[in-house]
Amino acid sequence: DVKVTQSSRYLVKRTGEKVFLECVQDMDHENMFWYRQDPGLGLRLIYFSYDVKMKEKGDIPEGYSVSREKKERFSLILESASTNQTSMYLCASSLTEYSNQPQHFGDGTRLSIL
Amino acid sequence: RKEVEQDPGPFNVPEGATVAFNCTYSNSASQSFFWYRQDCRKEPKLLMSVYSSGNEDGRFTAQLNRASQYISLLIRDSKLSDSATYLCVVTVSNDYKLSFGAGTTVTVRA
Repeated sequence: DVKVTQSSRYLVKRTGEKVFLECVQDMDHENMFWYRQDPGLGLRLIYFSYDVKMKEKGDIPEGYSVSREKKERFSLILESASTNQTSMYLCASSLTEYSNQPQHFGDGTRLSIL
Repeated sequence: RKEVEQDPGPFNVPEGATVAFNCTYSNSASQSFFWYRQDCRKEPKLLMSVYSSGNEDGRFTAQLNRASQYISLLIRDSKLSDSATYLCVVTVSNDYKLSFGAGTTVTVRA
């Protein structure tokens, strides 16, 4: 079974802090993704990575950056946290670049920015 | 216009009932379709892929209508454990990106 692990279930940070969200997958998947999920808006893609050190912007990359130094790990960074970044953050991975491959999600991180 | 639209519900049904709902997508080039299930405060999990000819998985039936650009999910003999939010997911060929609907909430009552 695919295991996608996010470092924290709940996180509270202050405005202006630099925030790191970590995600690790154990199935040697090529692709990794970061989403945020807000009520009524569904999942929105922030960034994704299709290989080590490779990244592409999703629909809402502003205020975020990512890092993928190793295949199994994909980090999301909030450069200077703001209250509108309070959300549920979900990491996902998929086996290949083909669009018919389903994505496997981590448990999510509920991030609150005060 | 959103890429993927779903009726948010909630659909409140008694145990044993049949419930069905649709999802419309705007990109005619969409190639792959999925239904995910998300329980309250949990991560989405793949329920089933949707194939052109329609497909069943136990009590769940998924259909695709390319002409009208929608997919549907039907749940027969509803169980209490079917209570969840069902996310419609659409993707374009050769694109890593999945487009998610906001979800349809189903509540099955005893």
